[in-house]
Formats: sequence, structure tokens, C-alpha cells
Amino acid sequence: GENVEQHPSTLSVQEGDSAVIKCTYSDSASNYFPWYKQELGKGPQLIIDIRSNVGEKKDQRIAVTLNKTAKHFSLHITETQPEDSAVYFCAASRWDSNYQLIWGAGTKLIIKP
Amino acid sequence: EAQVTQNPRYLITVTGKKLTVTCSQNMNHEYMSWYRQDPGLGLRQIYYSMNVEVTDKGDVPEGYKVSRKEKRNFPLILESPSPNQTSLYFCASSSPSVKPYEQYFGPGTRLTVT
Repeated sequence: GENVEQHPSTLSVQEGDSAVIKCTYSDSASNYFPWYKQELGKGPQLIIDIRSNVGEKKDQRIAVTLNKTAKHFSLHITETQPEDSAVYFCAASRWDSNYQLIWGAGTKLIIKP
Repeated sequence: EAQVTQNPRYLITVTGKKLTVTCSQNMNHEYMSWYRQDPGLGLRQIYYSMNVEVTDKGDVPEGYKVSRKEKRNFPLILESPSPNQTSLYFCASSSPSVKPYEQYFGPGTRLTVT
């Protein structure tokens, strides 16, 4: 079955710098890749997603890139701010999976003032 | 306000004492799911439901039961909890007919089994 690996497990960056979180997946039939943000004491919330027919997607300071050949996708956050501190999860899904998401283990992002 | 609610938020119990964690959503979503979150393991799906009276196992269903008698509610039942079920539990819902993969999560239930 599908497996999603996420790195790093913890990432500490200076406020204003960029942060990059990477995920690899094993199932070449996966075609949907969301990123969720989990703030302390809350449930995860979708922040951006990408489908396999697109290589990059941006939404203000966040962007996601997808390399289907290498089977990896990344989350990029530019000009990081204190409110970006959270745990970020990547996930993967395929069209025939009853909307099941296979999740990465999560990355704790720490923004240093 | 559109939301997923879970109760209780915190629960400490003893091995073998049956418990139920409730989940309710007010968005008329067809799809509901239960996850457990453990450090270093991410989110693992326990059970999911595509609609009323339709449930299916996720990746880690052992020791759990669910039911979906009403569209808005999806309770998680632990008939004989054990310490290895100590975890943070999340309920989620989505509407496959509108936006299939965007799942809305509840605030979580932290369960400790001693």
C-alpha cells in the first residue's frame, strides 16, 4: 500500500526566512497531495493542495511543488512569521481510494524571533 | 458556525471500562472519519463512513467500533479500552460531492487509559 515519508521531523528557522518541508510517496497512482497545518490544541486544517496534473501551486506565502517522476512533493513557506509555528502534515491519495488520505508523520515548524 | 465537535475533550479511564467519544458535524457532510494521532506516527485512520449506515475499517480498527445512524453523528466506541489506546483522537468530516478531499477536523479528544 501507499507510504508517505516526511522530513524533517522538526524544523527551526529564523523569522523572515523560508522553510521547506519535503514528502515522498510510494504509490505512483496517487494523484492528490494536500498539506494540513495543526496549531497547538487544535485539529489539522487544510492550507494548500495539489493534483498530479499540476507541477506547482501558490497561495500568498505558501507554495507546493510536485515531482511525479521522483514521487516527491514539498511545501515552501516564504517570509515566515510567528503564526507559522505549527505542525505540518503532508498526505497522499488516489482517485479510487474512497477519499482515503495516507499521512506523513508531521513536521514541527518553529519560528525563532 | 460550521464545525465538528467532539466530546469529551479529555478523558482518563481504566482498562476495560467501556467508553464512547461523540462526534457531531453541522455541515451536512456525507463522509466522516476517526483518526488517532501518536508522536512520530502522524494520523492513522481508525474507521470511516461514506454515509448513513455505511462504515468501513481504516488502517487501525482493532479495539474500536463505530456506528452511523444519523448523518451528523459518528461516535467512536471502545468496548474494552487498553493502555495502548492512549492517544489523541480526531474526528473529521467532508463532502465528497463538493470538495472530496478537504477534511474538517474536530478539536481532538485526549484519552488516557491506565
